[in-house]
Amino acid sequence: GENVEQHPSTLSVQEGDSAVIKCTYSDSASNYFPWYKQELGKGPQLIIDIRSNVGEKKDQRIAVTLNKTAKHFSLHITETQPEDSAVYFCAAISTTGGGNKLTFGTGTQLKVEL
Amino acid sequence: DTEVTQTPKHLVMGMTNKKSLKCEQHMGHRAMYWYKQKAKKPPELMFVYSYEKLSINESVPSRFSPECPNSSLLNLHLHALQPEDSALYLCASSLGVGNTEAFFGQGTRLTVV
Repeated sequence: GENVEQHPSTLSVQEGDSAVIKCTYSDSASNYFPWYKQELGKGPQLIIDIRSNVGEKKDQRIAVTLNKTAKHFSLHITETQPEDSAVYFCAAISTTGGGNKLTFGTGTQLKVEL
Repeated sequence: DTEVTQTPKHLVMGMTNKKSLKCEQHMGHRAMYWYKQKAKKPPELMFVYSYEKLSINESVPSRFSPECPNSSLLNLHLHALQPEDSALYLCASSLGVGNTEAFFGQGTRLTVV
């Protein structure tokens, strides 16, 4: 099955700085890679995603890059703000006998300090 | 409307109790999911329903029993749970089981005493 590794597990940045979170996946057949933000006491919220036919996608201060050859994808947050503080999960879709399933990375606790 | 609604938000139950978690979406999604999330861990898939039929069961113990009465509703029936089953239970939905966006509810915080 799919295995998704995520680094770092914690990340502390100053407000206004950039933050980068990196993930690797194992299943070369995976073709959809979403990123979720989870605030304390809430469910994961989809913030951006990328499909395998695209190398980069940007939405305001958030961007995601994908290197299919190396099986790497990364989340970039620019001009970080205190409200960006949360746990971020990368994920990959893999195919099992019953259908496609979402496999999550281990999560990154991002803290944006004033 | 990209909302997945879960009830209740919090639940405390004894090991001999029977309770149910409910999930509802009105986005026309045909795939619905149950995930379990322990503190400081990623969500772990439990069940997938596609077009109201169970398509994936991740070897979940039978004390958890899912049900999909219609395309908008998903239930998780709980019976004879153990304290280690205490966790955040998340429901999600997506247009299909393929590579499409999955939207999560806020979860039910379950405590088994």
